[in-house]
Amino acid sequence: DTGVSQDPRHKITKRGQNVTFRCDPISEHNRLYWYRQTLGQGPEFLTYFQNEAQLEKSRLLSDRFSAERPKGSFSTLEIQRTEQGDSAMYLCASSLEGTVNTEAFFGQGTRLTVV
Amino acid sequence: GDSVTQMEGPVTLSEEAFLTINCTYTATGYPSLFWYVQYPGEGLQLLLKATKADDKGSNKGFEATYRKETTSFHLEKGSVQVSDSAVYFCALSGSTNAGKSTFGDGTTLTVKP
Repeated sequence: DTGVSQDPRHKITKRGQNVTFRCDPISEHNRLYWYRQTLGQGPEFLTYFQNEAQLEKSRLLSDRFSAERPKGSFSTLEIQRTEQGDSAMYLCASSLEGTVNTEAFFGQGTRLTVV
Repeated sequence: GDSVTQMEGPVTLSEEAFLTINCTYTATGYPSLFWYVQYPGEGLQLLLKATKADDKGSNKGFEATYRKETTSFHLEKGSVQVSDSAVYFCALSGSTNAGKSTFGDGTTLTVKP
């Protein structure tokens, strides 16, 4: 397995445009997480899925943000009407819950710049 | 809510120096504790973890002990190398949801030859 992969690695967009990011988790992992990381800060939890069900959303996830995991495999994170404050690294992680030594594996992230 | 506080950086050391990065936490229940490392241009990698009080996590010469009485999980390494230069994040999660973590703000370590 090649680990968690995210696409694209970098995205530059104009304010007001919509963007969509994709995350492919480790294949047997049932949980998938999205985080946002701004410069000089640690990652902040946005939302997570167990299989295809979105179980929790942070208050950081405004109405302009939507995440899906339609078949319980890959996930997409869409930001509508982007704002400059959305510029950040968006990280995806996956884990296999229900095992003794579960841990989360992170992708390399998608860096979004809104100009 | 849960929170993690890391010592402020950046930290600059000479090769073979001793490293300590302090981490304290606030959480309800019995969280699992983690240290992650982020090399330039890369994603987060789990460095070590501990899931209960007095557990010691270790990996690549790094160690951290879960101290419930002081709510701490300090990272240590006896002799750092230039290749250890990176950003280090302390984090906690609930015992039943390892991927939903609360992170500290990170400590940048630079090791000079």
